Amino acid sequence: DAKTTQPPSMDCAEGRAANLPCNHSTISGNEYVYWYRQIHSQGPQYIIHGLKNNETNEMASLIITEDRKSSTLILPHATLRDTAVYYCIVREKRPGNQFYFGTGTSLTVIP
Amino acid sequence: GAVVSQHPSRVICKSGTSVKIECRSLDFQATTMFWYRQFPKKSLMLMATSNEGSKATYEQGVEKDKFLINHASLTLSTLTVTSAHPEDSSFYICSAPDWSSYNEQFFGPGTRLTVL
Repeated sequence: DAKTTQPPSMDCAEGRAANLPCNHSTISGNEYVYWYRQIHSQGPQYIIHGLKNNETNEMASLIITEDRKSSTLILPHATLRDTAVYYCIVREKRPGNQFYFGTGTSLTVIP
Repeated sequence: GAVVSQHPSRVICKSGTSVKIECRSLDFQATTMFWYRQFPKKSLMLMATSNEGSKATYEQGVEKDKFLINHASLTLSTLTVTSAHPEDSSFYICSAPDWSSYNEQFFGPGTRLTVL
């Protein structure tokens, strides 16, 4: 079952940073925070993941609070192609482990 | 990154028929694959875990005789929707972990099933 809470929707102006929050207050010590996004009628796409340190890659940054009970995905310069549903998932980092999706945040980037 | 394909991308069938959906890992081997279904404007719901060489593990509430899963090789899992009905119309998505990358779950592009 999903163990995360996200706002159902958010808007962001094109070119501005999009900050997507996620609450995971029951996260256990060996669980990672993963972010995926799903553009309409496509399969989900991996964005980033982390355990407790902040992470950055070419797509986004992930900020995890010190108590690990929440995190924020940052898209530094949102474009129209970033319009999608963003899912925050917590799970142990084992390849055979399932991903349970919550309701996600529908991000709309506005021109 | 690793690629997962699905076939067909869209299928329309008559009520009562069976439909087979294929999920392939194209450049890596997957001993485990996952099947999801997604209704319009809803999140992905995990249906089952497909295990190469053994029986699939179904999530609670998913009928194993309705949704037959066969993981015949390290690169192919199939989902057969038997005796399909209009309420089975949905978006079916598979995924597979790439054990070499270890970090990520790769998702297929999905199959849109419409049962008339």
